[in-house]
Amino acid sequence: DTGVSQDPRHKITKRGQNVTFRCDPISEHNRLYWYRQTLGQGPEFLTYFQNEAQLEKSRLLSDRFSAERPKGSFSTLEIQRTEQGDSAMYLCASSSFRAATDTQYFGPGTRLTVL
Amino acid sequence: AQSVSQHNHHVILSEAASLELGCNYSYGGTVNLFWYVQYPGQHLQLLLKYFSGDPLVKGIKGFEAEFIKSKFSFNLRKPSVQWSDTAEYFCAVNPGGGADGLTFGKGTHLIIQP
Repeated sequence: DTGVSQDPRHKITKRGQNVTFRCDPISEHNRLYWYRQTLGQGPEFLTYFQNEAQLEKSRLLSDRFSAERPKGSFSTLEIQRTEQGDSAMYLCASSSFRAATDTQYFGPGTRLTVL
Repeated sequence: AQSVSQHNHHVILSEAASLELGCNYSYGGTVNLFWYVQYPGQHLQLLLKYFSGDPLVKGIKGFEAEFIKSKFSFNLRKPSVQWSDTAEYFCAVNPGGGADGLTFGKGTHLIIQP
């Protein structure tokens, strides 16, 4: 059984560039979540999908951020015109929905550094 | 909106000491509660969870947590810690029955001295 995988694991970019991250959930999981974690903080929720539908977005997800899950399997998170404040660890999690017992399993994360 | 407070950001203990990490949440309705652990260089792993039923839940590696509804608390305990328990511990909550994203506390960095 493979867990949640994320690619790349590290990304260094210059301010103003666009970046895209990929998340592959556990194969039978129909829910997929994105979080952001900065130093000294716990993960902060960004958005989630059930199958291919994006059901919730947090206020942290500015209009420079977009997430997709076109076929209900892998997901991508794109950040346009990156800013230094976007530097963080971007985490993906997946779960298999059972009413009231949704447990999320996390991937290793993509560490973004914006210079 | 819910929030989670972890009282201790850094805890240092000796091996075999008992551990209790505090977690309080603010949310008026039914909640699901979680403790996640992140060992050095590894990703977040589920330690234990509470959805309903017995408020004392047992997790992996000898950890347990008690849900006290009247105190909005979900404290993590272990009677005797080991050096390998050195890690970052996160308490998290989401509304019961919901698929919402988790709200995490800031984490507690636990260091176990041999």
